[in-house]
Amino acid sequence: KNEVEQSPQNLTAQEGEFITINCSYSVGISALHWLQQHPGGGIVSLFMLSSGKKKHGRLIATINIQEKHSSLHITASHPRDSAVYICAVSPHSGTYKYIFGTGTRLKVLA
Amino acid sequence: GAGVSQSPSNKVTEKGKDVELRCDPISGHTALYWYRQRLGQGLEFLIYFQGNSAPDKSGLPSDRFSAERTGESVSTLTIQRTQQEDSAVYLCASSPRQGAGGYTFGSGTRLTVV
Repeated sequence: KNEVEQSPQNLTAQEGEFITINCSYSVGISALHWLQQHPGGGIVSLFMLSSGKKKHGRLIATINIQEKHSSLHITASHPRDSAVYICAVSPHSGTYKYIFGTGTRLKVLA
Repeated sequence: GAGVSQSPSNKVTEKGKDVELRCDPISGHTALYWYRQRLGQGLEFLIYFQGNSAPDKSGLPSDRFSAERTGESVSTLTIQRTQQEDSAVYLCASSPRQGAGGYTFGSGTRLTVV
């Protein structure tokens, strides 16, 4: 079993739908990242969380440290949101050896 | 530059040849990371540089892999005697300092060993 699990692995949605991607982890962490990987490999860091909730535009990320779970929400989804979304955790304070999930492939249809 | 720049973007090489991949981090970012992503798999940590400190090479998969960084600037990842299992996207990232967030990835180098 991977230390970082994401669900679903693949997701197809219609434009405008509310989307939730989940990340569960089994190690103690100091931080969790949500990353967006576009076709061709480019990766953008969306959020870094250590507690609570963050919002940026139509994206919302939440984390529950006690339950070892994080969610990434996309409101009013758009075809340009189509990408792979990756959850990554930092297992110890200050470490850079992030453990990455294998990603959720999202496709938003017009 | 404005972002993390990697070159080349694509590289096809014959098995047994050496390759050099380059990463130019964001100016002022002291921390630099190399990762590898094989097809269908998650990112694997390879090596980490922080300023002038000794790099953490614990993620390098074999002694065919090496990396250098001059001060807080460009880094090169060298793979000697490439094997087909080295085929992957090699991603570089930088941040102002480790743990500070502001984590920015380059667009990667897609390496294909034939």
